Amino acid sequence: NAGVMQNPRHLVRRRGQEARLRCSPMKGHSHVYWYRQLPEEGLKFMVYLQKENIIDESGMPKERFSAEFPKEGPSILRIQQVVRGDSAAYFCASSPGLAGDSYNEQFFGPGTRLTVL
Amino acid sequence: AQTVTQSQPEMSVQEAETVTLSCTYDTSESNYYLFWYKQPPSRQMILVIRQEAYKQQNATENRFSVNFQKAAKSFSLKISDSQLGDTAMYFCAFMGLGGAQKLVFGQGTRLTINP
Repeated sequence: NAGVMQNPRHLVRRRGQEARLRCSPMKGHSHVYWYRQLPEEGLKFMVYLQKENIIDESGMPKERFSAEFPKEGPSILRIQQVVRGDSAAYFCASSPGLAGDSYNEQFFGPGTRLTVL
Repeated sequence: AQTVTQSQPEMSVQEAETVTLSCTYDTSESNYYLFWYKQPPSRQMILVIRQEAYKQQNATENRFSVNFQKAAKSFSLKISDSQLGDTAMYFCAFMGLGGAQKLVFGQGTRLTINP
């Protein structure tokens, strides 16, 4: 059973370009979380998605950032018109999405390191 | 909102020694989990140990154990017989079981095990 896959592992963009980060959850997982890790900091929650739905986007910057998790295919985190401050490691985690207050373990991908020149 | 605080930015010990990493948290929730994650230079997030808040018994995983003090909102990690491979960033994290179950991380402690 393959783990959570993220690609690309490294992405370099110039200021003003778009960045697209992809996350394929573990088989059977229908929930995806995106976290951002700025240099020398802990991970910060960005967004929580289920298939075709954004459940919680309270950690997403109001502008330039968007996320989707379509019925088919990977989850995508999209950053438009990137700036140097967007340089960070972006981690995706997936979980099975058990009902109610059951604990849902999150399994992390290897991350995508975005560098904005 | 929940907060997680790790007050030790860096720690360094000799191989085979025991080291304790500190973590405090703040929450009004009654049902939650606490975690320690390891992040080696590869940047992969590795779950080290997990504690359920309603369990009084401290979790242990081989050389790793926690000291969970619920009233004090303290959750420290003890690494016994430390090994060179334990060198990494260690993050304490909180997860409330209501709602989105998002993880809230501390700032991290950089642990170096010296030969």
